[in-house]
Amino acid sequence: GENVGLHLPTLSVQEGDNSIINCAYSNSASDYFIWYKQESGKGPQFIIDIRSNMDKRQGQRVTVLLNKTVKHLSLQIAATQPGDSAVYFCAENYGQNFVFGPGTRLSVLP
Amino acid sequence: DAGVIQSPRHEVTEMGQEVTLRCKPISGHNSLFWYRQTMMRGLELLIYFNNNVPIDDSGMPEDRFSAKMPNASFSTLKIQPSEPRDSAVYFCASSRTRTGELFFGEGSRLTVL
Repeated sequence: GENVGLHLPTLSVQEGDNSIINCAYSNSASDYFIWYKQESGKGPQFIIDIRSNMDKRQGQRVTVLLNKTVKHLSLQIAATQPGDSAVYFCAENYGQNFVFGPGTRLSVLP
Repeated sequence: DAGVIQSPRHEVTEMGQEVTLRCKPISGHNSLFWYRQTMMRGLELLIYFNNNVPIDDSGMPEDRFSAKMPNASFSTLKIQPSEPRDSAVYFCASSRTRTGELFFGEGSRLTVL
């Protein structure tokens, strides 16, 4: 896929460090959120989701935090690996479909 | 399951030509979505279907774009006539329900010269 390129915020982390990717969502009525990972030349891939009745959810090496007060979502990746290099999108669902954020490019340094 | 299958993966065409992009959703998924991804606008929803019926096509840029879903296992997105500004990657996604997790295909990269 064509990752949104030149204008994407970029986060660079050392291999083994933890990464935190942030997302501000737009609608206070959104009740379901998903983080997607998009590698170069591929479609977005589901990482983890969270519903609005929760403020934290953990997966394997990933944690999503939801702060409804300030409409903020974050994705934490523990022990970041080279394979984590990709563009990460948050998506919010309200009403009938998902709206995607602009994305953040994660670059893992050796 | 093979996942969402899109074709072609790459298409290069000249302005004014008709372009047809194809999608096979995951079996058993009731909702199908077409997205467009560009550097400037990111991922944009063009249209989505629920049980083969178009529900919201407000994201379709203009009348040159049309989409169909003749059955539960096939959808097309057609651009006629194509223009250089249509150059983008077009993704198809499906989900079990209208508001459930989206499963994306690998995308069709379109270049209109």
